[in-house]
Amino acid sequence: SQTIHQWPATLVQPVGSPLSLECTVEGTSNPNLYWYRQAAGRGLQLLFYSVGIGQISSEVPQNLSASRPQDRQFILSSKKLLLSDSGFYLCAWSVYGGWSEQYFGPGTRLTVT
Amino acid sequence: KQEVTQIPAALSVPEGENLVLNCSFTDSAIYNLQWFRQDPGKGLTSLLLIQSSQREQTSGRLNASLDKSSGRSTLYIAASQPGDSATYLCAVRTGGGADGLTFGKGTHLIIQP
Repeated sequence: SQTIHQWPATLVQPVGSPLSLECTVEGTSNPNLYWYRQAAGRGLQLLFYSVGIGQISSEVPQNLSASRPQDRQFILSSKKLLLSDSGFYLCAWSVYGGWSEQYFGPGTRLTVT
Repeated sequence: KQEVTQIPAALSVPEGENLVLNCSFTDSAIYNLQWFRQDPGKGLTSLLLIQSSQREQTSGRLNASLDKSSGRSTLYIAASQPGDSATYLCAVRTGGGADGLTFGKGTHLIIQP
């Protein structure tokens, strides 16, 4: 069966510090991978998605970037965090195709102070 | 741009009641619709997936319907239990291929014992 992991689970970082969140998927190959953010009082927002190694699409221009160095690894990064980057970050995967179901990881709670 | 609205934002009912959660979307050209459950501080658990060609899906005490032409979906929960307390999220997939989901802000459900 497929499993999706995210770490760390929680993170408190000062403004201006760098960020690296990691997501890995087990039990499948060549998945589509997604990063979403859930900010307080707002719905879940798609940030990035990837259909393969090195292929990243950005949905929202912002202070963040994503990379996919391996087939089942997806990384969310920032060089300098802003207060507005605080939120709950969720990674998800699916197989390719508009009909497919998306499965979500446990999330990372990021607080920028 | 697709927009998803969920009504009500919050709902509190006594245990044993049947209840309906509503979801509406502005662009009827969707590939599928997913209902999720989110417990506090946790990731999303997929409850039901309805393809655009389907009218409803059932899983246990849950039944989801889809009226694509009118841009509406409902999640029916039968014989509610305290363990059903959570936030329920509706999401639609508008793009094919690898496109992500557009989420509503959710319905916060409390089942009183």
